[in-house]
Amino acid sequence: SAVISQKPSRDICQRGTSLTIQCQVDSQVTMMFWYRQQPGQSLTLIATANQGSEATYESGFVIDKFPISRPNLTFSTLTVSNMSPEDSSIYLCSVVRGSGRAGKDTQYFGPGTRLTVL
Amino acid sequence: DQQVKQNSPSLSVQEGRISILNCDYTNSMFDYFLWYKKYPAEGPTFLISISSIKDKNEDGRFTVFLNKSAKHLSLHIVPSQPGDSAVYFCAARGYNTDKLIFGTGTRLQVFP
Repeated sequence: SAVISQKPSRDICQRGTSLTIQCQVDSQVTMMFWYRQQPGQSLTLIATANQGSEATYESGFVIDKFPISRPNLTFSTLTVSNMSPEDSSIYLCSVVRGSGRAGKDTQYFGPGTRLTVL
Repeated sequence: DQQVKQNSPSLSVQEGRISILNCDYTNSMFDYFLWYKKYPAEGPTFLISISSIKDKNEDGRFTVFLNKSAKHLSLHIVPSQPGDSAVYFCAARGYNTDKLIFGTGTRLQVFP
């Protein structure tokens, strides 16, 4: 498995502000993923973050709203910019750990950051 | 378009009995399926997975069955324990990608 930590674990923010969420992994990984789980909804992939290149965003998510940094192989940040109440969600980072063969590894998740926007 | 569906939002089972959680998918290009368990205030925890070339995978009390022709998978928990009470997500992955598509989850409650 993988040991993944996230900071902060939760936060309450005002509309229009930004919050940066940190994700730390216990060992080097090539790809890190950022997901969102809105209240009562499933987990939705926001973007994939590779070290040394720009993050790849899924449909409906843009870099201006969710800028991502990946400065090294064990760390990543996700910023939720210009927040509105609709951004209230749990934000999760995840990594793949396994044999190294694409499509056959298991994805492990951090504990999540619960964000409430007033 | 919901490619992975869990049609039962909740399930209640008595301790010691079997819990069966179901999941349907629409994309025939999915080749790997996973089940995760999630407690409140925690991230999803990986439970068990199955490749599309298999129809069954077992790990202790957990067994996953895959019916490719029906595009259906199920997770069986036997015997169910109160500690199994959580939300269970199924997820699917396509060929040569690590991107997971999640279902909406089923809340399992195991009562004494």
